[in-house]
Amino acid sequence: AQSVSQHNHHVILSEAASLELGCNYSYGGTVNLFWYVQYPGQHLQLLLKYFSGDPLVKGIKGFEAEFIKSKFSFNLRKPSVQWSDTAEYFCAVRRMTTDSWGKLQFGAGTQVVVTP
Amino acid sequence: DTAVSQTPKYLVTQMGNDKSIKCEQNLGHDTMYWYKQDSKKFLKIMFSYNNKELIINETVPNRFSPKSPDKAHLNLHINSLELGDSAVYFCASSQGGRRIKAEAFFGQGTRLTVV
Repeated sequence: AQSVSQHNHHVILSEAASLELGCNYSYGGTVNLFWYVQYPGQHLQLLLKYFSGDPLVKGIKGFEAEFIKSKFSFNLRKPSVQWSDTAEYFCAVRRMTTDSWGKLQFGAGTQVVVTP
Repeated sequence: DTAVSQTPKYLVTQMGNDKSIKCEQNLGHDTMYWYKQDSKKFLKIMFSYNNKELIINETVPNRFSPKSPDKAHLNLHINSLELGDSAVYFCASSQGGRRIKAEAFFGQGTRLTVV
């Protein structure tokens, strides 16, 4: 069965530190890849997405992610975090198959806490 | 202005009751979804509708019955609520054709607490 793995469940770091969150998936076909963020008590918001082309994608709020096809990975990065980046981060995969209909498979999420 | 809106935002009810959650999107998308987020924040799809037709049903108990009166609305009715149904339910929409590249937009979520 397809799965999406996020490497860390909980990350604590100081403001201005760099952040990297790992995401791997197990599906071998064509995929769309996403990172969503959920601020405390809020809904999921799209940070960035990869459909095709340049494997380095830039998103909102200074986030970027790199798709490495050979490693089935889509890691999220931010060079310098702020306190406002405290949130839950979800990696999601959409299989481009005839029966997936846009269904997203989510990773378990990573809780990121940024301390002042 | 809200793209995907759900009501209610909070729902507290007793075991055994029947309740509904409503969802509407004004993005013109043809596919809508219900996702469940459990207490550990894990998100899992429950249902998907494309142009009012059920296309995904992820082995959800038949106490859960989605209904899509038109492609802009997707409601979720839950019968005989159980303690384990307590979760946050998110509605989402996207342009969901089989091979269309598109992201999903999520509603604010409905926090259901069964007591």
